[in-house]
Order: sequence, then C-alpha cells, then structure tokens
Amino acid sequence: GAGVSQTPSNKVTEKGKYVELRCDPISGHTALYWYRQSLGQGPEFLIYFQGTGAADDSGLPNDRFFAVRPEGSVSTLKIQRTERGDSAVYLCASSQTRTSGIYNEQFFGPGTRLTVL
Amino acid sequence: AQSVTQPDIHITVSEGASLELRCNYSYGATPYLFWYVQSPGQGLQLLLKYFSGDTLVQGIKGFEAEFKRSQSSFNLRKPSVHWSDAAEYFCAVNPGLSNAGGTSYGKLTFGQGTILTVHP
Repeated sequence: GAGVSQTPSNKVTEKGKYVELRCDPISGHTALYWYRQSLGQGPEFLIYFQGTGAADDSGLPNDRFFAVRPEGSVSTLKIQRTERGDSAVYLCASSQTRTSGIYNEQFFGPGTRLTVL
Repeated sequence: AQSVTQPDIHITVSEGASLELRCNYSYGATPYLFWYVQSPGQGLQLLLKYFSGDTLVQGIKGFEAEFKRSQSSFNLRKPSVHWSDAAEYFCAVNPGLSNAGGTSYGKLTFGQGTILTVHP
C-alpha cells in the first residue's frame, strides 16, 4: 500500500554536525536510490542499492557522505561534518526487483529538506 | 557522459492554451526517456516514458511526448492546459538496455527543470 516515505521531512542543523536521513521504500522493492536536489536544479543521483549492497555509489560527492541498507529495506543516508553547501532536498526512490531486460519504474518519496546553517 | 538540457527555466501559459516543454539529451545511443512532474511538497511523479517503438507516447493527465532521434529531443506537450498543471517538470534519461547489465541500471540523469505557471 504505502508509497516511499522519508523522515524527517525537514532537518535544520549547524555546520559541522552529523545528520542521518531515513528512507522507507515500498514494501517488496529491492532497488533503492538516493538523489540530491539543490535549489533550482534537477535531482542528481547519489547512490543505488540492489538489496543490501551499493551497486553504484558514483554520485556520492565525497567521503563525508555514506549510505547503508543493512537489511535490504530501510536505508539511511549519513552526512558527516555538514557544510552549508549540503543544503538541499534529499530524495529517495525505490523500484521492483531488477529483471534482465526490464526497466522498473522508480517511485519517489517526498524528500527531506536539509538546511545547514 | 549523458546529459539532459531543458532550455526553458520558466514558462507561463494561459489556462486552455497548448503547451510544449522542450528537452534535449546527449547520449551515444538512444536512452530511455522520461518526463516527471513535481508539485510543491510532493514527490516526483512519472508522467510518461519512452523505451522504443512508436515515437509518440501518451502519458497520464493528458500529456504526450514525441521522441525525435534526429534532434535528440523528447518534448512534452499538452493540447489544453489546466490550472492544476502548474508545477515543475523534469526530463530524465537512463542508459537503457545498452547498460542493463552494468552498474548504471536504474540511474536517472535529470534536466534542471521547467517551472510551469498557468494564468486563469
């Protein structure tokens, strides 16, 4: 039933602090994606999980960013030593099990708006 | 690297008028192509997609898009805009089956978006 959910919806933090953003995918979806949307821009890919493992983390901007999905369902995006430039909306999406030759639609959550003061 | 360009940052139309939002992509092969809509406080919603076949695709909410290989374009159209269509629209690409076995599976590259304002 429910769609992709993300918590919190808004997060305000101070420069240098650590934050965690949570994503709850649609039940049964094995693929999970994180995107970052800066003001006035389209979403930018960060990382893609297939099950518990990160299949593609080429979009993570630096080693301050890290994401986990330990049980293949909920995922957490972690940002260390936050900077003002990290302020953005962080979007999560999920899709069904990857099938050879089939592209599965990504369903997006409402996002978490992160503000770093 | 693939890229997506939406030349129009902001478009204003009157209710009932026709609409065309432009999208150009840069990619070696024909990628999978998508249009998404984002309303304030809402997640991205898929309007339509093109994988192969008929170059004119129909989507939800009365939208359609035409793939033109020669122009590397995938423009979104609607014959008569409603006030509820006011939102931000994003064009996106995916490498498609040419990379279905690769790590880019599912990865979407988005344009910067076009904000649509509808006047009554």
